Amino acid sequence: AQSVTQLDSQVPVFEEAPVELRCNYSSSVSVYLFWYVQYPNQGLQLLLKYLSGSTLVKGINGFEAEFNKSQTSFHLRKPSVHISDTAEYFCAVSDDSGGSNYKLTFGKGTLLTVNP
Amino acid sequence: NAGVTQTPKFRILKIGQSMTLQCTQDMNHNYMYWYRQDPGMGLKLIYYSVGAGITDKGEVPNGYNVSRSTTEDFPLRLELAAPSQTSVYFCASSSGQLTDTQYFGPGTRLTVL
Repeated sequence: AQSVTQLDSQVPVFEEAPVELRCNYSSSVSVYLFWYVQYPNQGLQLLLKYLSGSTLVKGINGFEAEFNKSQTSFHLRKPSVHISDTAEYFCAVSDDSGGSNYKLTFGKGTLLTVNP
Repeated sequence: NAGVTQTPKFRILKIGQSMTLQCTQDMNHNYMYWYRQDPGMGLKLIYYSVGAGITDKGEVPNGYNVSRSTTEDFPLRLELAAPSQTSVYFCASSSGQLTDTQYFGPGTRLTVL
């Protein structure tokens, strides 16, 4: 069975500082990895996803993530954050195990708070 | 493009009452999902559907029921509301491939008192 661990529940940073949100997964088969963002009082929207190929994936709003198979990680990074990046970020995984029936497994989320 | 719409946005129920959360998508997606979100717990899958007439349980189905009579609509029914069902409920849809994006509605905030 697949699982996702987001190592930090809250990450406070100052505006224009770099940020890394950590995500580790476990799965015995090939995986597809996603980062979703939830702005206050809204639904989730896709930030980026890794399907195959280049391990560095670029998403919207200047975010990027790197897939590391040996460390089973998919950390999200941004070199310089803005106040508007304040949101909750969810890492999610789906895999080819056959029994997952196209379901996503979500991590518990990381609340990124950007302070002026 | 409306995408995924949910009604109502907010609702307060008394213990034992019933209600239906509505979800509609206009993207002709085969797959639809219901999640609940509790603080610090991420999203838990309640039920999902792979097409009209086909539904299946997710991780936390107890206390809920669903139906899927059309491609567009996927209502979630609470028969006997309990305080443990206080949560934010999200509906989502996708074309169904493992690699595809799920598109989420804005959510329904439900309080059971």
